[in-house]
Amino acid sequence: AQTVTQSQPEMSVQEAETVTLSCTYDTSENNYYLFWYKQPPSRQMILVIRQEAYKQQNATENRFSVNFQKAAKSFSLKISDSQLGDTAMYFCALTLYFQGAQKLVFGQGTRLTINP
Amino acid sequence: NAGVTQTPKFQVLKTGQSMTLQCAQDMNHNSMYWYRQDPGMGLRLIYYSASEGTTDKGEVPNGYNVSRLNKREFSLRLESAAPSQTSVYFCASVRGTGVYNEQFFGPGTRLTVL
Repeated sequence: AQTVTQSQPEMSVQEAETVTLSCTYDTSENNYYLFWYKQPPSRQMILVIRQEAYKQQNATENRFSVNFQKAAKSFSLKISDSQLGDTAMYFCALTLYFQGAQKLVFGQGTRLTINP
Repeated sequence: NAGVTQTPKFQVLKTGQSMTLQCAQDMNHNSMYWYRQDPGMGLRLIYYSASEGTTDKGEVPNGYNVSRLNKREFSLRLESAAPSQTSVYFCASVRGTGVYNEQFFGPGTRLTVL
């Protein structure tokens, strides 16, 4: 069975600070991707960043970067120079191919608040 | 392009009532999904449709049925609503089966069952 665990239900930082959200996962598959999705108060799910399991180099998208530790099955998200608009729920997700379709397995989410 | 659309946005039902949540996508995606989101539990897969004409159960299918009406539309039906089905429901779609593909989500439906 595949599982994704986010151990930080809530986090809060000041604007312009750097924050790291943790995620661990478990899978026996070799071919998978890891995603971070953002869900602002509007409820819309927005892809933040993705990482291929075969790549050792950590993915980066502007202020967002990941620390992918494959052996430890860890996939953390770092947000640099945090902004008020980063306030949202953040979900870590594992994507697999299973029975003819792509499957997403989500973590429980981390509610991030950026304070002015 | 509208992306993934869902109707309604909000709904209140009484226990035992039935309803259908509608989902449509205009991106010519093959696969479509229904998830439910509950506090502290992330999103859990209810049903999915890998392609037009096929549907399969996900992690939490009990109490739900689905119909893949055509390539664009995928509906979720609650035959006899229960308070445990109070949740936010999301529809999603993805172009293919590759694990690198991004799933695109609708805006969600907040359902309350009294």
